[in-house]
Amino acid sequence: QSALTQPASVSGSPGQSITISCTGTSSDVGGYNYVSWYQQHPGKAPKLMIYDVSNRPSGVSNRFSGSKSGNTASLTISGLQAEDEADYYCSSLGRVFGGGTKLTVL
Amino acid sequence: QVQLVQSGAEVKKPGASVKVSCKASGYTFTSYYMHWVRQAPGQGLEWMGIINPSGGSTSYAQKFQGRVTMTRDTSTSTVYMELSSLRSEDTAVYYCARAPTPDNWFDPWGQGTLVTVSS
Repeated sequence: QSALTQPASVSGSPGQSITISCTGTSSDVGGYNYVSWYQQHPGKAPKLMIYDVSNRPSGVSNRFSGSKSGNTASLTISGLQAEDEADYYCSSLGRVFGGGTKLTVL
Repeated sequence: QVQLVQSGAEVKKPGASVKVSCKASGYTFTSYYMHWVRQAPGQGLEWMGIINPSGGSTSYAQKFQGRVTMTRDTSTSTVYMELSSLRSEDTAVYYCARAPTPDNWFDPWGQGTLVTVSS
C-alpha cells in the first residue's frame, strides 16, 4: 500500500485553529473508519491523539478533533498552544502512515 | 498503567542481525496485538509488521519479508523483532506499539530503540 499524503508543514499563531489533511484511497481512508492521528515531539515516541476518525482517547485535550470526507481525513487543532508544536502523522488500517506534517506555532 | 519497555540501543555492522525486545506490563498480554514501526533519522513512520501474542501468528510488510522475524514469549510478556542482513539504510529508531485489533490504532508506544548500522 502507498503512503497517505499529508502536507509537509503547517503553521498558525497561538489561539488560532489549523487543519492537517490526510489523503488516501477508497481502499484505506475512504473505505474504513480506521483512521488515527499521532503527535510526536522531537526525540519522543508518537502519542495517539485521535482514533477511529474522530474519537479522542482519555486525557487528550478537546482542542483536538478529527473528521473524514471521502478519501481525505482531517485533524483540526483549535486554540493553538506552543506545546502543540510537533510532528503529526495519520494512519489507516493499522499499517500505512502519512508522511508527517510539521506544525509550527508562530 | 499500560507500559511497553524496549531494550537498549544497538550498534551493528552491515550484514549482521539485531534483535529488539519489548516487554509489556499493565494489561493482559495475549489480549492485544503488537506492531513494530521504524523511523529513520529525520524521516516518517514506517510499518514493519504485526504479531498476535495469543497464538504467535505474524504478518510482515512486503518490504521486510524474508529479513524480519517477530516472536513472543508469553511467560515474560515480551515480544521480539529480529532484523537480519542489516544495511546502513536500516539505521533507525524501532518502536513497538500495542493495538486492540490488527487494523486499528496504536496505543501506547514503546520508548523506541535506536539501531545504528555502521562499518
